[in-house]
Amino acid sequence: TQLLEQSPQFLSIQEGENLTVYCNSSSVFSSLQWYRQEPGEGPVLLVTVVTGGEVKKLKRLTFQFGDARKDSSLHITAAQPGDTGLYLCAGDRGATNKLIFGTGTLLAVQP
Amino acid sequence: DTGVSQNPRHKITKRGQNVTFRCDPISEHNRLYWYRQTLGQGPEFLTYFQNEAQLEKSRLLSDRFSAERPKGSFSTLEIQRTEQGDSAMYLCASSLLSSGGTDTQYFGPGTRLTVL
Repeated sequence: TQLLEQSPQFLSIQEGENLTVYCNSSSVFSSLQWYRQEPGEGPVLLVTVVTGGEVKKLKRLTFQFGDARKDSSLHITAAQPGDTGLYLCAGDRGATNKLIFGTGTLLAVQP
Repeated sequence: DTGVSQNPRHKITKRGQNVTFRCDPISEHNRLYWYRQTLGQGPEFLTYFQNEAQLEKSRLLSDRFSAERPKGSFSTLEIQRTEQGDSAMYLCASSLLSSGGTDTQYFGPGTRLTVL
């Protein structure tokens, strides 16, 4: 059962464009994390959001946690080729804090 | 480098052989997780340790899989009688449970297993 659905699955854009990736669930999460993963490497943490409605900014990346803590979005402004990678959202539900990962969004930014 | 490390980075084995992977977490992190990731998918939880105790195992972890964290520091994941379906990236993550209950996991580079 896939608890976290990401959209879109694939995104190919030109350098300088803006984009938004969505992470949706019918379940409530204690916290939600966004990772970026490059081929052959482990996921690298970008941000953790904990409070419903929370917005966090990391340079050109803006992360939002839904009010009900069931969904999240990642917005990238003026995308650059270095933003290319697999973006994963992951929710934390229980006492063990094991992460439930989304399906991933593969982003390619063309120069 | 003080991040999570995993060895080996790549392993190619023949079906039926046993393999063992090692994970060294960030120093003093009390929690350690193993995940498996197949091509085009997000990682899936396998098991986790708090200190040396293995507290949860996924149904994905068949009886051919065993994990240990004997001294609460590094961990090993062994797969016996490997099958082609075991081919995947095996990821380790560690975290330090805070008093507020949040738990940010930091991942290692993974071990890519190919079973021929």
